[in-house]
Amino acid sequence: DAGITQSPRHKVTETGTPVTLRCHQTENHRYMYWYRQDPGHGLRLIHYSYGVKDTDKGEVSDGYSVSRSKTEDFLLTLESATSSQTSVYFCAISESGHHETQYFGPGTRLLVL
Amino acid sequence: AQSVTQPDIHITVSEGASLELRCNYSYGATPYLFWYVQSPGQGLQLLLKYFSGDTLVQGIKGFEAEFKRSQSSFNLRKPSVHWSDAAEYFCAVGEGDDKIIFGKGTRLHILP
Repeated sequence: DAGITQSPRHKVTETGTPVTLRCHQTENHRYMYWYRQDPGHGLRLIHYSYGVKDTDKGEVSDGYSVSRSKTEDFLLTLESATSSQTSVYFCAISESGHHETQYFGPGTRLLVL
Repeated sequence: AQSVTQPDIHITVSEGASLELRCNYSYGATPYLFWYVQSPGQGLQLLLKYFSGDTLVQGIKGFEAEFKRSQSSFNLRKPSVHWSDAAEYFCAVGEGDDKIIFGKGTRLHILP
């Protein structure tokens, strides 16, 4: 299995508070992704990174920011959490691009009250 | 814009029966096509992928999929399902350097 960890695995927070989710990989893959999974919507891309300090938006990026200061870590920040951001968040990695196999982390379940 | 449709939200089959999960895509050129599986409480795992060449692709766990350009389809099949195949299945499509788009998923239920 690809070495991908996500932390925390579960989090409950209140509306308006900042939240940071961490994705850590040990595979030295160039690309990293953040998705959210919601019933009836499948997986939707939030942001992705194609290298250290290189990031781009996905289809549902509003309200989220990301940072990648090291190859192995990709952080997702909700600046001011809202109830609509209650979801399961998955990190994924791929070696060299979107057309390559993506390896997924175990997910973070976030509840915003 | 590219899109992928999985028409069936839920499918129920009996253990030992054959399975076909449907996937249709909308894209201009030859896409990259994927099937992923998600077991309860887990992340997604790649079952198989198609980039070019033979249109019948073999994957892990006894699954296969066939790319049909004329029908814009990439249906997933298995000749005989096992109780452990109960999961959610996602079709995904991408092209070139563009992003991968996932379908909304089909949840497979297995009857004993």
